[in-house]
Amino acid sequence: NAGVMQNPRHLVRRRGQEARLRCSPMKGHSHVYWYRQLPEEGLKFMVYLQKENIIDESGMPKERFSAEFPKEGPSILRIQQVVRGDSAAYFCASSPPGRIQETQYFGPGTRLLVL
Amino acid sequence: TQLLEQSPQFLSIQEGENLTVYCNSSSVFSSLQWYRQEPGEGPVLLVTVVTGGEVKKLKRLTFQFGDARKDSSLHITAAQPGDTGLYLCAGPPGTNAGKSTFGDGTTLTVKP
Repeated sequence: NAGVMQNPRHLVRRRGQEARLRCSPMKGHSHVYWYRQLPEEGLKFMVYLQKENIIDESGMPKERFSAEFPKEGPSILRIQQVVRGDSAAYFCASSPPGRIQETQYFGPGTRLLVL
Repeated sequence: TQLLEQSPQFLSIQEGENLTVYCNSSSVFSSLQWYRQEPGEGPVLLVTVVTGGEVKKLKRLTFQFGDARKDSSLHITAAQPGDTGLYLCAGPPGTNAGKSTFGDGTTLTVKP
């Protein structure tokens, strides 16, 4: 049973380009969460999605950032027109359906570097 | 928003020493999770504490959940270099409209 998968593991973009980060949740999990982490800091919540629905995006910047979790395929975190301040590690987590109190399981993260 | 404060932020000790890290909040949590994160990796779940006053042991790690379910501690006995990492406490996803509240973590370095 594979864990949460994220790709790419490392992503380098120049200012103004787009970054697309992918997350495949654990098998059977329908809840996906995205977090951002700066060096030596904790994880900051960005967005919580269920299949085809955004449940809570209160932690996501209003501009340039978007997320989706389609019926088929991975969840995508998209950052348009990246700036240097977007450089960070982005983690995806998933949890099973139904019981919202279930613990989240994290992927290995995507490290975004904006030049 | 429920906040979790962790202390100390950084801890550097010699192999064989004991240590305790703390996770405190003014809010009540139905449960708390402890994660360990190594450089370049995602957080890995260590334990979930659910009952006030609960104590869970994982080899040399002892986790305690406060009676009022507002705080938790992690005690490591005879620390080893392999314990080095970022230790994070977190409230469960359902606590705060779906998002999990994380503390800023304690960065532990165990020197051989």
